[in-house]
Amino acid sequence: AQKITQTQPGMFVQEKEAVTLDCTYDTSDQSYGLFWYKQPSSGEMIFLIYQGSYDEQNATEGRYSLNFQKARKSANLVISASQLGDSAMYFCAMRENPNAGGTSYGKLTFGQGTILTVHP
Amino acid sequence: DAGVTQSPTHLIKTRGQQVTLRCSPKSGHDTVSWYQQALGQGPQFIFQYYEEEERQRGNFPDRFSGHQFPNYSSELNVNALLLGDSALYLCASSGDRPELFFGEGSRLTVL
Repeated sequence: AQKITQTQPGMFVQEKEAVTLDCTYDTSDQSYGLFWYKQPSSGEMIFLIYQGSYDEQNATEGRYSLNFQKARKSANLVISASQLGDSAMYFCAMRENPNAGGTSYGKLTFGQGTILTVHP
Repeated sequence: DAGVTQSPTHLIKTRGQQVTLRCSPKSGHDTVSWYQQALGQGPQFIFQYYEEEERQRGNFPDRFSGHQFPNYSSELNVNALLLGDSALYLCASSGDRPELFFGEGSRLTVL
């Protein structure tokens, strides 16, 4: 069974500084995908970044980067130059068979989330 | 390009009643998934629809059922509501790429 662990219930960061949100995962699958989502108080889950298990390079999307360490089964999210609007709940998630297409895509399994607060 | 849209945004029901939630996927997406998110928790997978059939199901009772229409939109039905069904219900759509795109959710309160 897949499992995602986020050990930081809450994190605080000063505006313009970088912050790392931790995520470890457990799976017996060889092919899987790792995702980070942001959930503001409005409730919408906003997709931030994706890393495939066979990708050799760490994924980057603007101020977001994913520090993927396969041997340690970790997929930490790094947010550079934090902004006040980054304050939200952040979820790490995993999906099996992400490259198989169509119905072969598995469900997303989420962690418990980390609340990030950015101070001015 | 419209994203995933859900309706209604908020609703209140009483125990034993039935509820129907609706979802229109992002343009170009053909797969719809539903998730339940209790307060302070991560979302839990309910089921996934593709080609108008339920393709995968999470650990939810038969009171939870769904439907996908030819235009790829979807409904989630919950019968015999319990207090514990109070949650944010999120619809997500996907296509050829791995990532799912979510709507803003329907917040259900059961009294």
